[in-house]
Amino acid sequence: DSGVTQTPKHLITATGQRVTLRCSPRSGDLSVYWYQQSLDQGLQFLIQYYNGEERAKGNILERFSAQQFPDLHSELNLSSLELGDSALYFCASSPRTPHGEQYFGPGTRLTVT
Amino acid sequence: DAKTTQPNSMESNEEEPVHLPCNHSTISGTDYIHWYRQLPSQGPEYVIHGLTSNVNNRMASLAIAEDRKSSTLILHRATLRDAAVYYCILRDVGRGGSEKLVFGKGTKLTVNP
Repeated sequence: DSGVTQTPKHLITATGQRVTLRCSPRSGDLSVYWYQQSLDQGLQFLIQYYNGEERAKGNILERFSAQQFPDLHSELNLSSLELGDSALYFCASSPRTPHGEQYFGPGTRLTVT
Repeated sequence: DAKTTQPNSMESNEEEPVHLPCNHSTISGTDYIHWYRQLPSQGPEYVIHGLTSNVNNRMASLAIAEDRKSSTLILHRATLRDAAVYYCILRDVGRGGSEKLVFGKGTKLTVNP
């Protein structure tokens, strides 16, 4: 158990819909990262927040957005969903160390039908 | 992002040592070498990291070549639970370095009973 929690575990929805994925980082970790893992693209970095502020952006679509709240939990919002958005979405958090190892949650499996 | 090269797959027998190689010929002076692994149906898991010297922890050892252009993750006695995809990742923690993890395809390790 990494200490990072993600809900829900599974999500099935239809094209065009909007969903919200939730992540609670390990106690004391200020950084939260979101990654997407699909069969064809592998694990890809989406976005990072540090203490409530966006820190880095990766290959995140404009239909996707995220935020980190004052209690440090984070949400990833996916809208106008397409079949290709079906994937595993992982959240990770890291302590404030120079090398910053990341601790990953169990993921949310999103299926868009 | 600096690139790493790993074999697609490797096989080992239970209770034997496993040496997982990684080439990173374009590594820069501020790149740390990180290893993560992903067990089936789980999120990635931090294994070990190093900069120049060899490193040991409870999970594995990391041997880094003197010129830092390659490294080897060593599992001293493989167990069935070590069957996973192992990722070698370079992280630049220098000024302006990105905190994201850039995952390649990794090495799929199969452990035979």
